Amino acid sequence: DTAVSQTPKYLVTQMGNDKSIKCEQNLGHDTMYWYKQDSKKFLKIMFSYNNKELIINETVPNRFSPKSPDKAHLNLHINSLELGDSAVYFCASSPTSGGAYEQYFGPGTRLTVT
Amino acid sequence: AQKVTQAQTEISVVEKEDVTLDCVYETRDTTYYLFWYKQPPSGELVFLIRRNSFDEQNEISGRYSWNFQKSTSSFNFTITASQVVDSAVYFCALSEPNNAGNMLTFGGGTRLMVKP
Repeated sequence: DTAVSQTPKYLVTQMGNDKSIKCEQNLGHDTMYWYKQDSKKFLKIMFSYNNKELIINETVPNRFSPKSPDKAHLNLHINSLELGDSAVYFCASSPTSGGAYEQYFGPGTRLTVT
Repeated sequence: AQKVTQAQTEISVVEKEDVTLDCVYETRDTTYYLFWYKQPPSGELVFLIRRNSFDEQNEISGRYSWNFQKSTSSFNFTITASQVVDSAVYFCALSEPNNAGNMLTFGGGTRLMVKP
């Protein structure tokens, strides 16, 4: 059974479009995250979501919005896609917030904006 | 502000060589957590180890070992008798429990290439 899953695995779209990436975890974890990995492999946190509390990295454009229908799901919606949004997006989860626990990552979604 | 530096961007070794990946971190907190993750060519991120700031004991797991030294703010990772399957990008990361959101700060990664 996959612990953290993401769909789709690949997403190719044109500038200006709106797209969503879905994430689900079956680990019973309380906290979920979205990370962005750029072409140089640099990983950066975008959001943390715990118990309906959203913590946003201030450098993330407001075109990006996470949506959590329940504890097991954290989807990422992106409006008005730009070329610079091309990256691999990773969803992750941990038992709780507080930093003490490792985060388990999904397989990633490679987004290409043309 | 927290920061993680992996000065080695790329390392190439021949199979069976030992290799050490360096990680230096910065934090103002006295309580923090350090992690290593592996990203093989297939792209997923695999958790390797977690260390808290109060536990400076070195850890060994098979061919992997980790050396945590608070005095130099370093958390280095050694692979003994490297194998081709160890080829991957390795990330060191830091988490502070007091930071909002429990976010991991990653280093830039070290690409390890193990040649047969």
